[in-house]
Amino acid sequence: DMKVTQMPRYLIKRMGENVLLECGQDMSHETMYWYRQDPGLGLQLIYISYDVDSNSEGDIPKGYRVSRKKREHFSLILDSAKTNQTSVYFCASRDRGSDYTFGSGTRLLVI
Amino acid sequence: KTQVEQSPQSLVVRQGENCVLQCNYSVTPDNHLRWFKQDTGKGLVSLTVLVDQKDKTSNGRYSATLDKDAKHSTLHITATLLDDTATYICVVGDRGSALGRLHFGAGTQLIVIP
Repeated sequence: DMKVTQMPRYLIKRMGENVLLECGQDMSHETMYWYRQDPGLGLQLIYISYDVDSNSEGDIPKGYRVSRKKREHFSLILDSAKTNQTSVYFCASRDRGSDYTFGSGTRLLVI
Repeated sequence: KTQVEQSPQSLVVRQGENCVLQCNYSVTPDNHLRWFKQDTGKGLVSLTVLVDQKDKTSNGRYSATLDKDAKHSTLHITATLLDDTATYICVVGDRGSALGRLHFGAGTQLIVIP
């Protein structure tokens, strides 16, 4: 069964702490994405990765960075988390011509 | 500015009833349009994808239409079940390739009651 796995599912961090969100996929998809979902808004694109070490900023990259050292793994890093980064973060993957597969999300609370 | 508008924001129907969800967008170009279902606390699951200028798809009790001239799509759910309770999200893709971006609506929250 094709899937995108996100870890952790829930996370509470204090303002100023570093945060690492992990995403893995078992489909060898080239393209991976990080989105955040806030109440009343559509998903917003943070970063896209087209393959290993080939990353591009999305629409709201400020305060985030990413790492993709293996095709199946894409990390989102928050250096010095802020309270306005409290959100639900979704990872997704897609291969050429394929549908999108989304993870179940990581719920991050920054206090 | 929001480029994908969904209506209604929320909807309550009784089990067995039909419902229609609307999506209007201003995304250009509009290569394709997808409808996703998001159960509470879960990720997005694709229901259907529409590609043609005037397109129709059917997937069990779900059917969808797209009119690119009007930049409008509908999702019809027939004979609703309690498990249809979820948020339905309209997404417009501006290209067919992986270089394209997806533009997400905020979703319609559907609640199906017994």
